[in-house]
Parts: sequence; structure tokens; C-alpha cells
Amino acid sequence: EDQVTQSPEALRLQEGESSSLNCSYTVSGLRGLFWYRQDPGKGPEFLFTLYSAGEEKEKERLKATLTKKESFLHITAPKPEDSATYLCAVQATGEYGNKLVFGAGTILRVKS
Amino acid sequence: EPEVTQTPSHQVTQMGQEVILRCVPISNHLYFYWYRQILGQKVEFLVSFYNNEISEKSEIFDDQFSVERPDGSNFTLKIRSTKLEDSAMYFCASSEAYSGSPYNEQFFGPGTRLTVL
Repeated sequence: EDQVTQSPEALRLQEGESSSLNCSYTVSGLRGLFWYRQDPGKGPEFLFTLYSAGEEKEKERLKATLTKKESFLHITAPKPEDSATYLCAVQATGEYGNKLVFGAGTILRVKS
Repeated sequence: EPEVTQTPSHQVTQMGQEVILRCVPISNHLYFYWYRQILGQKVEFLVSFYNNEISEKSEIFDDQFSVERPDGSNFTLKIRSTKLEDSAMYFCASSEAYSGSPYNEQFFGPGTRLTVL
């Protein structure tokens, strides 16, 4: 069964204090790994897709990387507006419906 | 910027009643999905839909659930006889293309909060 585990569950940072969130996964074959941001009471907002080990993508203060077992979301010099829950999801090969399997998320709080 | 929309934002119903949740996917997208998130839990896949038929469904999506694309723009989720445990946030999502292509990102709507009393 495909599984996604995110750590830490919660992270508190001071503004400007860089850190990383981890997403480890177990799938029969990885078709894609997705990062989303979710604000309270809202739907997941798409951030990145990664397809193969070694791939990296960046957007403003966020950078996502992928290995064969895990992905990292690096946050450089975060600001209070980066506070949100960050969700990781995988799409496995052999599945014909495109479903995403989500992790439980990391709740990020950035204090000014 | 195109976005997925959902109505209503909040639905309160009595146990045993039927509810229909509505979604308008992004206009050029071909694949549609429903997910749900029980308060404090993971986002869970319910069903995917392509070319007017279900392409995959989860164990949660039993005979009480159905989906429909009644016209060229709407995508609906029906729960025939709601249970207390159906209380959750229901998200509609859509994607332009199939997994494995560069355009298979799933874009989510704001959700409908379903409360079953």
C-alpha cells in the first residue's frame, strides 16, 4: 500500500530562520510527487510537481527536492505569510485514475 | 487566473438525507476528482472521473456515493443517505491531462464543509 509520512508534524520558526520539511514515501513506483500549501479552512494550493530523483524546483522562498525515498521542502528566510500546512502527495505508477495519496502535513508557524 | 469553484461553501443536513455537492472545474480540464478531509485528518481520495465515467474509486466511495457531469461545466457528488461519519470537508479537483504528462497537476477548489446532524 502506498504511504506518505511527513515530518515534523509542526514547526515553529522565527522570521528569517531557514529550515526544511521532510516527506518520505513508499510506493510501488513513483509517477509524481506533489507539494501543496493549505491554509485553514481552504483547499490545497498547488506548489510543485517532481517526477524523478535529483529533480529540484523553486518558487520564491521555497525549494523542493526529490530522492528515491523522500522529498524535502526547503524554506529560506521565511516570512509570517508562509505560515500554513504543507502537504505532500504521491501519484503511483500502475494506477489508472491519477489519484493522489496525501501525507498528514506539516503545520508551519513563522513568527515575526 | 482560472480556478475550481464549489458550492455551497457549507451544507448542514440531517442524517439520512440526500445531499448534492457541486463543482465547476477549470474549463479546459478533462479529469475530475473528489477528495474529502475529516477534521484533523489527511486528505483522502474518493473518486476520479474522465470521459463521463468513473476511472477509479476508493473503498470510501460505496453505493451511497455517486458522481455526475450533468452538463459541460458542472461536476457533482451525491451522497444518497448521509451518515454522521460523512461530516467532512469535500474538495473537488481537476487536471488538464493524465498522470505522467507535464500537465497533470491537480488544482483544488475551496471545499464544501458538510455537517451531518
